[in-house]
Amino acid sequence: GAGVSQSPRYKVAKRGQDVALRCDPISGHVSLFWYQQALGQGPEFLTYFQNEAQLDKSGLPSDRFFAERPEGSVSTLKIQRTQQEDSAVYLCASSLGGGASDTQYFGPGTRLTVL
Amino acid sequence: GESVGLHLPTLSVQEGDNSIINCAYSNSASDYFIWYKQESGKGPQFIIDIRSNMDKRQGQRVTVLLNKTVKHLSLQIAATQPGDSAVYFCAEKARGNTPLVFGKGTRLSVIA
Repeated sequence: GAGVSQSPRYKVAKRGQDVALRCDPISGHVSLFWYQQALGQGPEFLTYFQNEAQLDKSGLPSDRFFAERPEGSVSTLKIQRTQQEDSAVYLCASSLGGGASDTQYFGPGTRLTVL
Repeated sequence: GESVGLHLPTLSVQEGDNSIINCAYSNSASDYFIWYKQESGKGPQFIIDIRSNMDKRQGQRVTVLLNKTVKHLSLQIAATQPGDSAVYFCAEKARGNTPLVFGKGTRLSVIA
């Protein structure tokens, strides 16, 4: 079956521009997660949804970052007034339930480059 | 803050040999541990997981060992193949709605 998909796969933005990154989770998956992965580093948690509810946004680095999942399926991560330090791969993951040990399945990521 | 880390940043092994990738964690509240494989340009791929009430778990060609006494996790890959070349991350999670915490990763290179 289809896995987690993300679009666009690559995004180049000029500093100060707004960007929107899309995540399509596996159909029926309740939980959705966003991570940021800097070059050569492990993914770092940004935010977590259970259905449409954003239960944890403690990892969002600033108020320029905003995520939504209005219908409990597709999610969008928006970054306003992008800065060079926002350059990274943004990964989306989904899991079937909300359990602590539910396996998270990752998408291919969106590589954001801010010039 | 507490974090998950790795002993070795790179590991080169001969095809057919066994590989061992190590990980140290510091959060004593961690209840669940996962190994992910990440190939270039792709997202992390789940390999195997283990709960804190277990010491060992085996999958196909992979084994995860957990030593809670010294807060150490390892991934063993039997008969390593060229397709195993990737970056491997350990991740840990505490109980409840807490996020996964990833280590920095170990790059495994398989020499044919």
